[in-house]
Amino acid sequence: GAVVSQHPSRVICKSGTSVKIECRSLDFQATTMFWYRQFPKQSLMLMATSNEGSKATYEQGVEKDKFLINHASLTLSTLTVTSAHPEDSSFYICSAKKASGGLLETQYFGPGTRLLVL
Amino acid sequence: EDQVTQSPEALRLQEGESSSLNCSYTVSGLRGLFWYRQDPGKGPEFLFTLYSAGEEKEKERLKATLTKKESFLHITAPKPEDSATYLCAVREGQTSGSRLTFGEGTQLTVNP
Repeated sequence: GAVVSQHPSRVICKSGTSVKIECRSLDFQATTMFWYRQFPKQSLMLMATSNEGSKATYEQGVEKDKFLINHASLTLSTLTVTSAHPEDSSFYICSAKKASGGLLETQYFGPGTRLLVL
Repeated sequence: EDQVTQSPEALRLQEGESSSLNCSYTVSGLRGLFWYRQDPGKGPEFLFTLYSAGEEKEKERLKATLTKKESFLHITAPKPEDSATYLCAVREGQTSGSRLTFGEGTQLTVNP
């Protein structure tokens, strides 16, 4: 199998606070993880690509100082939304690729984290 | 720039009524076309990967096909539990971190 978990599944926070979301690959090692954001009735938008042991690569328009990504091990990547504001409210989804896979390896997705900023 | 267009946006079927979903793409150097199923409030669930024109893959009532410009997801005799949003994504590039570009999805509803 290829199971990816996320924690928490949902979080409500006050404006100005920071929120950390964890993404774990449970039964495989992942050198590359991806973070997406999905607004209601819209498709997934890639925010950043996270590589184990190196800096994340952010998509154009995504503030790297606001969305901090850490990929400290082959099974864990974290996304921290700093100084969250109501417009950051969204569904955040991570995905992971198996380290053993080649260039054509599939991305497996986590269940998502619903963030609501009040 | 990679583009992925899915049609229709929404599709309502009666149980047992077969149909097809379309995914048209423009990408230089396709390195895989992916189909995912997404239920409300959940992450995408992997269905198929297609790599070259003419390739077909099947899983239960679903069959995915690929040409040089589009992919079809055929649903044969659907059941209500097939109701979900079906997402198509393409990958281009030759690095292990190659990104996926997603279409907007087709929301399928199968009525009993």
